[in-house]
Amino acid sequence: GNSVTQMEGPVTLSEEAFLTINCTYTATGYPSLFWYVQYPGEGLQLLLKATKADDKGSNKGFEATYRKETTSFHLEKGSVQVSDSAVYFCALRDNQGGKLIFGQGTELSVKP
Amino acid sequence: EAGVTQSPTHLIKTRGQQATLRCSPISGHTSVYWYQQALGLGLQFLLWYDEGEERNRGNFPPRFSGRQFPNYSSELNVNALELEDSALYLCASSPQGEFFETQYFGPGTRLLVL
Repeated sequence: GNSVTQMEGPVTLSEEAFLTINCTYTATGYPSLFWYVQYPGEGLQLLLKATKADDKGSNKGFEATYRKETTSFHLEKGSVQVSDSAVYFCALRDNQGGKLIFGQGTELSVKP
Repeated sequence: EAGVTQSPTHLIKTRGQQATLRCSPISGHTSVYWYQQALGLGLQFLLWYDEGEERNRGNFPPRFSGRQFPNYSSELNVNALELEDSALYLCASSPQGEFFETQYFGPGTRLLVL
């Protein structure tokens, strides 16, 4: 079945450091891919998405490229801020069942 | 535009009781999804409703049920509560058309079973 694997956290970075959170997926076909962010005590917010191979999603300085060859959708940001501290979830949409399948989440902590 | 809303924000129940959680989708969205976020178990899909019909169900026992009303709002019912039902329950909605695949989440209902 479809699945998503994310790098384990927590990830601790200093402000202005470069961020990469790895995400790989297993799926039949070419599902849409997403990154969601969850701030403490809140629900999920859509960060970015890509709907087909080679698409790049971007938002708030975050980017991720849909790589069909490596079945990956790694999240990157050139310079993180303390306010980026949150849990980040990679997900794919199961096109038959409608559901989102999530990775386990990666906690990011950015120190001043 | 108002986002997905959920009520109540917190709910405390005891084992064996029933819980009812409510969700109002973004205006114009016809699909509603329910997910459970339990500690250590990640985000698990529960139910998908579209146009009033249940379209898909996750791997949860039948005591988890729900419905979607004509105004597209939805209710999740959990009967015979067990301690392990304690979790954050998230509702999401999606529009029709080309952005159908994008789900927008509410703030969640935190259920505690004592």
